Amino acid sequence: QVQLVQSGAEVRKPGSSVRISCKTSGDTFSRFAISWVRQAPGQGLEWMGGLIPILGSAKYAQKLQGRVTITADESTSTGYMELRGLTSEDTAAYYCARAARETVEVTPASYGLDVWGPGTTVTVSS
Amino acid sequence: QSAPTQPASVSGSPGQSITISCTGSSSDVGGHNFVSWYQQHPGKAPKLLIYDVTNRPSGISNRFSGSKSGNMASLTISGLQAADEADYYCSSYTSGRTLFVFGTGTKVTVL
Repeated sequence: QVQLVQSGAEVRKPGSSVRISCKTSGDTFSRFAISWVRQAPGQGLEWMGGLIPILGSAKYAQKLQGRVTITADESTSTGYMELRGLTSEDTAAYYCARAARETVEVTPASYGLDVWGPGTTVTVSS
Repeated sequence: QSAPTQPASVSGSPGQSITISCTGSSSDVGGHNFVSWYQQHPGKAPKLLIYDVTNRPSGISNRFSGSKSGNMASLTISGLQAADEADYYCSSYTSGRTLFVFGTGTKVTVL
């Protein structure tokens, strides 16, 4: 049973950066796309971007282009999401999630996201 | 690029069936068959219920079913149970630069 374990809650000041990790158990890390999804308090889900570790090239939602970087370390089966230039609007729960099947598509359009991390709360406050 | 629109809330009594709509455009919901549905209980991560419009992952009850007509996708929950009380989100590939979108979300209340 694949599990995703995320790093702990973070508090940041406006203008700073945050980096969240997502460690995957099991030996299928490299071939399955990992997406990052966030949810502001009381709000809906927002896809931020994703990456297929073995292919290396990430794709990002247009809204966050230039502020977000998604990477992966295959040696530790860990994915990372860094968000820069934080504002109060970035206060949210951040989830990593794994694609349900191996595809060459980074977005979770086909087959969906079937394994999710528990979420990491990021609070941006001065 | 706006998110596919869902009703803010839908309610039903135990045992009844309810349907949640997800209305998009030809750029997303209507343009292909890459629509998924997720269930999210308060304080929990989302859970995949339906992928590729009509398919259920292993372990998902057949009380959940998906369909699509034109630019609108739908999730039907039959035999409504108390445990079905949650938020539900559709999602779709989009040909816009956003690449992938979630719907606005629907809160389901079991009366």
